[in-house]
Amino acid sequence: DVKVTQSSRYLVKRTGEKVFLECVQDMDHENMFWYRQDPGLGLRLIYFSYDVKMKEKGDIPEGYSVSREKKERFSLILESASTNQTSMYLCASITSGNADTQYFGPGTRLTVL
Amino acid sequence: AQSVTQPDIHITVSEGASLELRCNYSYGATPYLFWYVQSPGQGLQLLLKYFSGDTLVQGIKGFEAEFKRSQSSFNLRKPSVHWSDAAEYFCAVGRSGGYQKVTFGTGTKLQVIP
Repeated sequence: DVKVTQSSRYLVKRTGEKVFLECVQDMDHENMFWYRQDPGLGLRLIYFSYDVKMKEKGDIPEGYSVSREKKERFSLILESASTNQTSMYLCASITSGNADTQYFGPGTRLTVL
Repeated sequence: AQSVTQPDIHITVSEGASLELRCNYSYGATPYLFWYVQSPGQGLQLLLKYFSGDTLVQGIKGFEAEFKRSQSSFNLRKPSVHWSDAAEYFCAVGRSGGYQKVTFGTGTKLQVIP
């Protein structure tokens, strides 16, 4: 059974803290994604990685960075958390082919106080 | 760039009734189209996808969707809804070049009443 796991389901941080969100997939997928999900806005792509150490900005990269040192792990970093980054964060992965299925993790609900 | 619209924010249906969730997209060429479901506290799960070929697509959990190019629509249907179908449903549109080019709709929340 394929699996995408995220390190925390719920996280509460303070403004200005550095925050790490971790995502691990066990399917040997090349491509991994970070989205944020907000009510009335759907999912928006923050960053995308197509290989180890390779990344591309998505639609809303401001205030975020990412790290992919190993194929199975993709980290989202909030260098200095702000209240407007309170959101649900979803990680996903897929192999290279377009015909494959994108698998999502359960999400991390981050609250920044 | 493509866009997708889900006109219904919230829909309520009775258990056993039929369901249709609307999705309209905007894209100049033939799009890739998806429907996902998100149960409370869960990530998204793919219900079905259309890339090419037969315009009536069968998915998991008894769902189907029909691609209608003339109407720029990809509506999701189920003939008989079960209480466990209560969830949020997202339509998405993409194009060749990878999943980083997929745009998601804002979602439709489905409530199922006894």
